[in-house]
Amino acid sequence: QKEVEQNSGPLSVPEGAIASLNCTYSDRGSQSFFWYRQYSGKSPELIMFIYSNGDKEDGRFTAQLNKASQYVSLLIRDSQPSDSATYLCAVNFGGRSTGNQFYFGTGTSLTVIP
Amino acid sequence: NAGVTQTPKFRILKIGQSMTLQCAQDMNHNYMYWYRQDPGMGLKLIYYSVGAGITDKGEVPNGYNVSRSTTEDFPLRLELAAPSQTSVYFCASSYTQRGPNQPQHFGDGTRLSIL
Repeated sequence: QKEVEQNSGPLSVPEGAIASLNCTYSDRGSQSFFWYRQYSGKSPELIMFIYSNGDKEDGRFTAQLNKASQYVSLLIRDSQPSDSATYLCAVNFGGRSTGNQFYFGTGTSLTVIP
Repeated sequence: NAGVTQTPKFRILKIGQSMTLQCAQDMNHNYMYWYRQDPGMGLKLIYYSVGAGITDKGEVPNGYNVSRSTTEDFPLRLELAAPSQTSVYFCASSYTQRGPNQPQHFGDGTRLSIL
């Protein structure tokens, strides 16, 4: 069973703080990892993707991947009220039977308080 | 470029009716996907296609059918609508030469209610 798990939240942080979102996955052989942001009533939009162990930074966002521990995280620095949304973690597990499929977590709801 | 276009945006069906959700992309992407998202939940894959003429089942394919006659279009068919199919449906596409490890681009979604 392929599983991607996220804490549903809600997670509340004050404006300017660092928001930390976590995601764990079930398959050690997983290949690629994505973070999407979804505003209420809207479609998911890509924030970050990461393939290799370590950190990847893009502006205020940092994705962290630890394949040995099977988790991927997203840090949002200097959080803004406009960051308030649901953040979805998606994993491609690879492999012959599931290599073309992405599995999504249920999402973490983030609220940034002004 | 329009990206991924889904029609209709909203639809109400009666139990037992059928309909087709349309999805078109103009980015020459080879991979296309259909997901459903129930309230407070993540996305569940219904069907996907790795190219014209090739389709395969995802996690939750029962009650749905797809076809991929062209690179651009990937319609989703509901034959006998059931209340359990009330959901928001998202179509997505991506381009990859060596595997599906590229980010997906999503359409705006179709909100479907079965009454």
